[in-house]
Amino acid sequence: GAVVSQHPSRVICKSGTSVKIECRSLDFQATTMFWYRQFPKKSLMLMATSNEGSKATYEQGVEKDKFLINHASLTLSTLTVTSAHPEDSSFYICSARGGLGLKETQYFGPGTRLLVL
Amino acid sequence: GESVGLHLPTLSVQEGDNSIINCAYSNSASDYFIWYKQESGKGPQFIIDIRSNMDKRQGQRVTVLLNKTVKHLSLQIAATQPGDSAVYFCAETLMDSSYKLIFGSGTRLLVRP
Repeated sequence: GAVVSQHPSRVICKSGTSVKIECRSLDFQATTMFWYRQFPKKSLMLMATSNEGSKATYEQGVEKDKFLINHASLTLSTLTVTSAHPEDSSFYICSARGGLGLKETQYFGPGTRLLVL
Repeated sequence: GESVGLHLPTLSVQEGDNSIINCAYSNSASDYFIWYKQESGKGPQFIIDIRSNMDKRQGQRVTVLLNKTVKHLSLQIAATQPGDSAVYFCAETLMDSSYKLIFGSGTRLLVRP
């Protein structure tokens, strides 16, 4: 149980294009999803917290117009990197937190590696 | 195995030995702690958690110890196996409405065959 998937696992795009990353909780309903960014050999940096049906809460320094988050259902959240540039290249990881025994724990997806050329 | 703090990013242990990974957390108000294992190119994998009303919790081959007095958390892995090689992160949070995790900087565990 508590499986989180991400799609795509890897994406290469040209500078200026937008990229959408999906995060799904496969076997539980996620009341909250989180989006992280991770640079090589570094820890995870929280970008935003996403609650179903409401606007995402962004961490300080994260541009909300650059990283669009939509949490349309209890099992799906999307992160869109708009007008991507090489400095947006990174490993993006989502996590999901649910209820009924899974309330506190965040379960992570496998990550999406983005390379912007 | 020797215990190390997060200032020493790599811990090397012999297969079959016990490993101890330490973490100093930042917020004395944190009331829930989790250890995650991250293999290269993958997302973090939940290992074990502990609430602040406990000081020890055991899982399969793993034990987490919590010392709130000095804000210290440790992960003990018994009979370390090659498959345990990964980066280990501790994370702390407040069980309020946000449940935001604050991650430590991570420790790389290398298991020598």
